[in-house]
Amino acid sequence: GENVEQHPSTLSVQEGDSAVIKCTYSDSASNYFPWYKQELGKRPQLIIDIRSNVGEKKDQRIAVTLNKTAKHFSLHITETQPEDSAVYFCAARNEVASGGSNYKLTFGKGTLLTVNP
Amino acid sequence: DAGVIQSPRHEVTEMGQEVTLRCKPISGHDYLFWYRQTMMRGLELLIYFNNNVPIDDSGMPEDRFSAKMPNASFSTLKIQPSEPRDSAVYFCASSLGLKALAKNIQYFGAGTRLSVL
Repeated sequence: GENVEQHPSTLSVQEGDSAVIKCTYSDSASNYFPWYKQELGKRPQLIIDIRSNVGEKKDQRIAVTLNKTAKHFSLHITETQPEDSAVYFCAARNEVASGGSNYKLTFGKGTLLTVNP
Repeated sequence: DAGVIQSPRHEVTEMGQEVTLRCKPISGHDYLFWYRQTMMRGLELLIYFNNNVPIDDSGMPEDRFSAKMPNASFSTLKIQPSEPRDSAVYFCASSLGLKALAKNIQYFGAGTRLSVL
């Protein structure tokens, strides 16, 4: 099955700096890669996702890049703000192959991002 | 739509007692997922359903755990008997399936925080 590794486990940056979180996956058939943000005591919420037919996707201060050859993808947050402090999870899924039988997200272990004012 | 609804939000019980967690998925979603989150193990998928049928229960830790989905709008996760090591936050999530690519975001409920004393 799929295995997703996420680094670093903790990341501390100064407000205004950029933050980068990296994930690698093992199943070359995976083609959907979402990122979730979980604030303390809250539910995980999708912030951005990318499918394997594109290499990069941006949404304001957030961007995700995907390298299918190397099987890794990254989350980039620019101009970080204190409200960006949270745990970020990457995930991977194969959306093509098997209908309902393998339709699950495999999550990384999470990165605790702290943005210091 | 009110989103994925879980109840109770908090549950405190004593070791040996039966615990039942409840979930109402987003209307129209045909996939439902149960996760467990702890500091040590991160976000673990326990089981997921497609059209009310369990597809993959390989994440269910042991026979004390069981899950049902009697209809499209309701699912339960039961622990019997409960043990202190079951203390965690349990999330339910739902999504559309492959028929709705680009719309099949997985939405999480607010979670149930379970404490087994």
